[in-house]
Amino acid sequence: DMKVTQMPRYLIKRMGENVLLECGQDMSHETMYWYRQDPGLGLQLIYISYDVDSNSEGDIPKGYRVSRKKREHFSLILDSAKTNQTSVYFCASSLSGPETLYFGSGTRLTVL
Amino acid sequence: TQTVSQSDAHVTVFEGDSVELRCNYSYGGSIYLSWYIQHHGHGLQFLLKYYSGNPVVQGVNGFEAEFSKSDSSFHLRKASVHWSDSAVYFCAVSSNSGTYQRFGTGTKLQVVP
Repeated sequence: DMKVTQMPRYLIKRMGENVLLECGQDMSHETMYWYRQDPGLGLQLIYISYDVDSNSEGDIPKGYRVSRKKREHFSLILDSAKTNQTSVYFCASSLSGPETLYFGSGTRLTVL
Repeated sequence: TQTVSQSDAHVTVFEGDSVELRCNYSYGGSIYLSWYIQHHGHGLQFLLKYYSGNPVVQGVNGFEAEFSKSDSSFHLRKASVHWSDSAVYFCAVSSNSGTYQRFGTGTKLQVVP
C-alpha cells in the first residue's frame, strides 16, 4: 500500500523521561531515516539506517539513538529527553540512498 | 558537503497566477535534485526529481522544475496556481553516491482565492 506509519502522532513528556518513537513501512525499503523539523530550519537528519542493524549518524545525532531489528521497522529513542528536543519528528523510507523519500505523517513531541 | 538554499521563506500569489519557487544548491559532483510538498499537519510528499537528461522535469499537478548547472539552481514553477497548492515546498539535494538528501528550509506558498 506504500505507506509509512508513525506512532504516536502527539506525545507530551517531562524532561528526563525516556521517549520511544516508532515507524513502520510496508514497501520493503532498505533505507530509513529520522528527521526533525523546526521552524526556520527545515528538516535535519538525525539518523539513517541502510538496513537491519546498519545505522549511521546524520547531521544532528546527539541525544538520540536508533534501533532497526526488522527491515520494516525503525525506532528513534531519546534517553532522558530535553526541552530542546521539542520538535516534529518525521520518519521516511526509500528504496536506496538518493531515491525518492516516502514520509510518515510525523510525531509532534513536546518535552516540558 | 552539499547544501541547498531556498531564499524565499514566504510567497503569496493570487489563484490563477503563475509562481516560481527558487532553489539553489552547492555541490560539485553528480546530484539528485528533488522537490517535495508539505500540507499543514502532514508529512512531505514527493513532487518531482532531476538526475540527468532533459533539464525541465514535469511533476504531479502541473508542477515543473528546471535544472540549471550554470546557475546552480532547480526552480519550481507552476503556470496557474490553485488555492489547494497552498503548502510548504522543500527542495532537496543528494549525491548519486548513496548519501542522504539534504533539505532546504522551505518556502511557504499562500494562494489567495
